[in-house]
Amino acid sequence: AQSVTQLGSHVSVSEGALVLLRCNYSSSVPPYLFWYVQYPNQGLQLLLKYTTGATLVKGINGFEAEFKKSETSFHLTKPSAHMSDAAEYFCAVSGSGSQGNLIFGKGTKLSVKP
Amino acid sequence: DSGVTQTPKHLITATGQRVTLRCSPRSGDLSVYWYQQSLDQGLQFLIQYYNGEERAKGNILERFSAQQFPDLHSELNLSSLELGDSALYFCASSVGPAGDEQFFGPGTRLTVL
Repeated sequence: AQSVTQLGSHVSVSEGALVLLRCNYSSSVPPYLFWYVQYPNQGLQLLLKYTTGATLVKGINGFEAEFKKSETSFHLTKPSAHMSDAAEYFCAVSGSGSQGNLIFGKGTKLSVKP
Repeated sequence: DSGVTQTPKHLITATGQRVTLRCSPRSGDLSVYWYQQSLDQGLQFLIQYYNGEERAKGNILERFSAQQFPDLHSELNLSSLELGDSALYFCASSVGPAGDEQFFGPGTRLTVL
């Protein structure tokens, strides 16, 4: 069965510092991988999506993620954190076979200190 | 704005009651997904419909049911409600049946008293 593990339920960085949110996946087939962001009292917004091909995926708001098959990882990074990046971030893998549902990690709450 | 709408935004009801949550997908999207978000369970997939047909089932209780109508909107029915059903319920939509980006609605916050 597919699964996603997000390391660190809470990450705190200073404004302007590098953001690194970790995600490891388990999948028996080449996966579709996603990062979503959830601001307080809002729905989930898609940051970026990986499909087979390039290993570095660029998303919105300056975020990008690197797919490493050998490490089964899909870590999310942003070179310089902004206060507005404070939110909860979810890594997800698409369901197996013909199933389209997303399997989410438990989420990482990002705090940005001034 | 994702283009996915959900109503109502908030719902407060009592144990044993039945409620209906409604979702309208983005224009052109044929798949609708329902997810439940709670503090203890996180984000859990409930059920998917594609072009009116049930496509996949997740951790959906027997007390819960859903359908997708010819105009592609979907409803999630929750019956015999229990305190533990209190959660955020999200609807998402995508173009195809699998592998596409899913766009989420703002959610319905259900509180069971």
